[in-house]
Amino acid sequence: KQEVTQIPAALSVPEGENLVLNCSFTDSAIYNLQWFRQDPGKGLTSLLLIQSSQREQTSGRLNASLDKSSGRSTLYIAASQPGDSATYLCAVNGNNRLAFGKGNQVVVIP
Amino acid sequence: SAVISQKPSRDICQRGTSLTIQCQVDSQVTMMFWYRQQPGQSLTLIATANQGSEATYESGFVIDKFPISRPNLTFSTLTVSNMSPEDSSIYLCSGGGHMNTEAFFGQGTRLTVV
Repeated sequence: KQEVTQIPAALSVPEGENLVLNCSFTDSAIYNLQWFRQDPGKGLTSLLLIQSSQREQTSGRLNASLDKSSGRSTLYIAASQPGDSATYLCAVNGNNRLAFGKGNQVVVIP
Repeated sequence: SAVISQKPSRDICQRGTSLTIQCQVDSQVTMMFWYRQQPGQSLTLIATANQGSEATYESGFVIDKFPISRPNLTFSTLTVSNMSPEDSSIYLCSGGGHMNTEAFFGQGTRLTVV
C-alpha cells in the first residue's frame, strides 16, 4: 500500500521568502505525482502534474521536482505572498488511484 | 483540464436523514471518484463510480451507506444515507487521475450532521 508523507505539517513564513514543501512516498511504481492547493473548507485546485518520466515541472512561481527512485518530490514556491496561504497536498498516482499525503499547511505573514 | 460542478457546496442535516451530492463534468470522463475528508485529515477514497455498472467501494465503505449512481460519462451522484454526526466531513468528487492523466476535483460539499 502506498504511503505518502508530507513534511513539514505546518509552517509560517514572512512574505517574500521562498517556500519548500516536501513529499515522500514508499512505492516508486507510479504513473505521476500531482500537487494540489486546498483552501479551508474547499475543493482541490491542481497546481502541477509531473509524469513519472519527468524530473520537474514549472508554472509561474511554482516549481516541482520528482525523484522517483528515491520516492521524493519537492514543491518550491518563489517569493511567497499572503495569497499563497493554504494547505498543499501531494498525491501519488499508482494503480489507477491517488494516494494523498496529509498536507503542508502554509501561512504567509504580510 | 475539465471542470466539475459539485452541489450543494454545504449543508447542515439532521441525524437519520440522507443527502445526495451531485457532480456534473463539462466533458466526458472515463473514471470518476468520490472521496471523504474528515476534519484535519487528508482525502480517503470512498469508491470509483463506473458508468453502466455498480460502483467499486474501498474497504470500510459499503453501498447501503454510500449509494452511487453514474448514469453517463458526465454525471455522478453520491448519497450519504442514514447520517450520523460521524459523517460530518467534506465530500469531494474527482475525474481523471487514472493512468497518466491529470486528476481534477469539484468544489467539495461541506456536510455537518446535527
